[in-house]
Amino acid sequence: QQQVKQSPQSLIVQKGGIPIINCAYENTAFDYFPWYQQFPGKGPALLIAIRPDVSEKKEGRFTISFNKSAKQFSLHIMDSQPGDSATYFCAARLGGYQKVTFGIGTKLQVIP
Amino acid sequence: DVKVTQSSRYLVKRTGEKVFLECVQDMDHENMFWYRQDPGLGLRLIYFSYDVKMKEKGDIPEGYSVSREKKERFSLILESASTNQTSMYLCASSLSGTGGTEAFFGQGTRLTVV
Repeated sequence: QQQVKQSPQSLIVQKGGIPIINCAYENTAFDYFPWYQQFPGKGPALLIAIRPDVSEKKEGRFTISFNKSAKQFSLHIMDSQPGDSATYFCAARLGGYQKVTFGIGTKLQVIP
Repeated sequence: DVKVTQSSRYLVKRTGEKVFLECVQDMDHENMFWYRQDPGLGLRLIYFSYDVKMKEKGDIPEGYSVSREKKERFSLILESASTNQTSMYLCASSLSGTGGTEAFFGQGTRLTVV
């Protein structure tokens, strides 16, 4: 049973477009929601993270929107660039533990 | 620069072999994790450790065991490798404490069991 559901699995956008990746969760005990970015041949690296008491967080061109009542959160990439082409994972951490559950990942391709 | 180092990038092993995957971190992190990454399934947690000699099962521990004798080193053991354990294996580490903490990943070990 997947505790963090991520969609879509793949996404192709033109340069300058705004790809949106969505995630949903059921367990209200999750208390930290990070996004990881993975380039081919590399391990994932933390991109941006949010707590459930915040509705939006921006870091550069990356924005997380968080809807606590709907138990959904999403990643928006403004003015996307070919260098953003990577696999993106949403994740959720169970409060009081260090165990992080990941979504299945979204492979993003930004076309020049 | 923080570092999580996995001993091998690529491994090819035979069915039934005992396989050791080694991971070392130089950040004095309390927590260490082993994940496997498969297309369409994302990252799935195999085992994690929050202290030396302590371990907890993740979501898919069957067929695996782990060892953490020193804080900086976390080993994943495939007791008897099978073809369905062909995968990318990722080690990660993080600090303990309340609040969210970043997990740092190694570059992965691509294991092929033939």
